[in-house]
Amino acid sequence: NAGVTQTPKFRILKIGQSMTLQCTQDMNHNYMYWYRQDPGMGLKLIYYSVGAGITDKGEVPNGYNVSRSTTEDFPLRLELAAPSQTSVYFCASSTNTDRGSEQFFGPGTRLTVL
Amino acid sequence: AQRVTQPEKLLSVFKGAPVELKCNYSYSGSPELFWYVQYSRQRLQLLLRHISRESIKGFTADLNKGETSFHLKKPFAQEEDSAMYYCALGGSNYKLTFGKGTLLTVNP
Repeated sequence: NAGVTQTPKFRILKIGQSMTLQCTQDMNHNYMYWYRQDPGMGLKLIYYSVGAGITDKGEVPNGYNVSRSTTEDFPLRLELAAPSQTSVYFCASSTNTDRGSEQFFGPGTRLTVL
Repeated sequence: AQRVTQPEKLLSVFKGAPVELKCNYSYSGSPELFWYVQYSRQRLQLLLRHISRESIKGFTADLNKGETSFHLKKPFAQEEDSAMYYCALGGSNYKLTFGKGTLLTVNP
């Protein structure tokens, strides 16, 4: 299993441009999440999904959109990039086992908006 | 509202010394707490969860409901323990609320 994969690894955008951050998981997890990580601020939840066709806002959803057409894919869309969206973005998926729940993270996408 | 506080941004210890990373939480229900670790150039990964009461890589963490704490401890730090450590609180739909993280440096 590849686990959670994200593309691209790095991206530089100009203000006002748009882009989609891709996230795919091959573990058949229903739950998926997008976080942003800013220095000294920890991880903040942007959006999450409990299954195909179902998404909901997290703590910091403004400026972002998501979709979940399949169990495997959970892309994050930035429509009008702003410097405040410069961050490292992590996608994660989750399952629950008899040992408790666990989130599995992708390697991250480092985005710079200039 | 859920909140996780990690009071130390940076923690530096010498190899072989004990280490304690502090975590306090605010939650109205029965908490589910985790420690996640991010080694240099690696992805974030689960270190341990309070439900399993396990010891991973020599680390332990005990949930203290009276003090609303979930401190991470290791009696003898190793250089390979140097990493960013995040305390996290579980919520509905397995969502996590993260603390701001503590960067642990273990010096030789």
